[in-house]
Amino acid sequence: QQQVKQSPQSLIVQKGGISIINCAYENTAFDYFPWYQQFPGKGPALLIAIRPDVSEKKEGRFTISFNKSAKQFSLHIMDSQPGDSATYFCAASRAGTALIFGKGTTLSVSS
Amino acid sequence: GAGVSQSPSNKVTEKGKDVELRCDPISGHTALYWYRQSLGQGLEFLIYFQGNSAPDKSGLPSDRFSAERTGGSVSTLTIQRTQQEDSAVYLCASSLALSQAGAFFGQGTRLTVV
Repeated sequence: QQQVKQSPQSLIVQKGGISIINCAYENTAFDYFPWYQQFPGKGPALLIAIRPDVSEKKEGRFTISFNKSAKQFSLHIMDSQPGDSATYFCAASRAGTALIFGKGTTLSVSS
Repeated sequence: GAGVSQSPSNKVTEKGKDVELRCDPISGHTALYWYRQSLGQGLEFLIYFQGNSAPDKSGLPSDRFSAERTGGSVSTLTIQRTQQEDSAVYLCASSLALSQAGAFFGQGTRLTVV
């Protein structure tokens, strides 16, 4: 049973465009939803995270939108740049448990 | 240290041999995780340590895999009688208590079983 479903598997966006990656979760006990960015040969790096008491969180060009009733959350990358080309993972957890990750989205930003 | 440190960075071993992978978490982080990432795949949860609580071993794929955490700090993941399907990048992460402050990952150990 896949607890966190992520889509799309891959994404190509033009420079300056908006990249959107979606995740859906099943466990309503989850209360922490981070996004990670991973470059080849590196470990994942925490990008931005949200808790279910807010519907949106923005940090620079990165925004998480959260829909508790639909059990969905998404990452929006505004003004996408070639340096944003990486694999992005959504994750979810509840207090005292390990993060459960989606399968990842490979983003390519073309210049 | 400033970040999560894993060693070795690369390990090539023969099928059937045992291997030990080491993780040094960020100082003060009480939670420690091990994940496995196969080529082009997502992160598969293996085991989770939280303070002095019993570890969550629910992700370990077989009894050939085990892990320990000594003194609430350094952790060692041991794979006995390695198989080719064990080839992957093994990632360690640590976080403050209750994992609600974000987990920070090391660079990983790339294990190749030949």
